[in-house]
Amino acid sequence: EVQLVESGGDLIQPGGSLRLSCAASGFTVSSNYMSWVRQAPGKGLEWVSLIYSGGSTYYADSVKGRFTISRDNSKNTLYLQMNSLRAEDTAVYYCVRFSGSYGFDYWGQGTLVTVSS
Amino acid sequence: DIQMTQSPSSLSASVGDRVTITCRASQGIRNYLAWFQQKPGKAPKSLIYGASGLHSGVPSKFSGSGSGTDFTLTISSLQPEDFATYYCQQYNSYPYTFGPGTKVDIK
Repeated sequence: EVQLVESGGDLIQPGGSLRLSCAASGFTVSSNYMSWVRQAPGKGLEWVSLIYSGGSTYYADSVKGRFTISRDNSKNTLYLQMNSLRAEDTAVYYCVRFSGSYGFDYWGQGTLVTVSS
Repeated sequence: DIQMTQSPSSLSASVGDRVTITCRASQGIRNYLAWFQQKPGKAPKSLIYGASGLHSGVPSKFSGSGSGTDFTLTISSLQPEDFATYYCQQYNSYPYTFGPGTKVDIK
């Protein structure tokens, strides 16, 4: 059974850094495309970043240069390193498996990041 | 960036109703269109990929159609568990973008 479990969300001050983790089971992260999607409180969904199985990465303009997606193959875990955090980064962050032409198929339960002083 | 719009933004319907939601892309996205269902406080659930393909375990009352710029999601007979917000998303080109959502509630 495919499972994605996010962790690392917290209350953080503007300008701070945070690393989110997504532990996967039931499949191999390094053999799949993986993505992060976020949702600000009361708002819609926003795609954040994606990493290909080959290691290529893509980012939304709103996070480019501040966020870094990566993975640890030995731990079968996806990460999102978030630096220079802003109030507008406040959101629930979801880890999602992306299956190419089959789109986003499995979602984690999400982890809340709150950026506030 | 490709802009996604949905109509209506909300609708009220009764159990048993047939419901159709429309999604439009600002430029052609072939059939790289997905639909998601989200209930309050829960993660989104993947319903449809490739404009019309049903993800595993999704009941056949959900169907999708369209290609290019215009797409629809249809729920053939609305049930109590279907009251939720529905989002479309294009994954033809980066940045992948979502529609603003359509909230379906009980009449």
